[in-house]
Amino acid sequence: GQQVMQIPQYQHVQEGEDFTTYCNSSTTLSNIQWYKQRPGGHPVFLIQLVKSGEVKKQKRLTFQFGEAKKNSSLHITATQTTDVGTYFCAGQAGTALIFGKGTTLSVSS
Amino acid sequence: DGGITQSPKYLFRKEGQNVTLSCEQNLNHDAMYWYRQDPGQGLRLIYYSQIVNDFQKGDIAEGYSVSREKKESFPLTVTSAQKNPTAFYLCASSRDIANTGELFFGEGSRLTVL
Repeated sequence: GQQVMQIPQYQHVQEGEDFTTYCNSSTTLSNIQWYKQRPGGHPVFLIQLVKSGEVKKQKRLTFQFGEAKKNSSLHITATQTTDVGTYFCAGQAGTALIFGKGTTLSVSS
Repeated sequence: DGGITQSPKYLFRKEGQNVTLSCEQNLNHDAMYWYRQDPGQGLRLIYYSQIVNDFQKGDIAEGYSVSREKKESFPLTVTSAQKNPTAFYLCASSRDIANTGELFFGEGSRLTVL
């Protein structure tokens, strides 16, 4: 079945450093979404990418969708302590979304 | 405010007991989902429903059951057949399945089996 792999599983950075998480699918995706889950909270939608090669920015966050629509990345520039949490990608190739296992980001000041 | 309400937030159950988790949405969404979250495992799909009186199994449906008698409601029953039910359960909804769009999540129900 469809699988969505996400790396790294954990990442610790110093405040101000950059952070990137990568997502790879075993199948071509119709779209990919990114969510953030704060500790003790529930996932919150960040963005959806649909087009091949698409790049979207939200302030310090940059999201990319690969040309083959099988991979995606989330890059955070100059991390802040408010960026702490787990970032999930979720790919859609049929009906329901399939989530990656997430990357947990910790930031020390 | 529109959103998804899950209850209870915390639940303790003895082995061999069934338990039902409630999920209600007032977003007028057609599609609803149940996910299970375990540490380091991400979100795994249990069941989803596209319309009233219809639902489909996800990747880990064994030991769970659902119903969709009303558009607003999608309760999940964790049966005694579920061998490892202790987990964080998340309900979500979206406008439809075909072009899923944004998932809106409830705050979750944390089930502990004693």
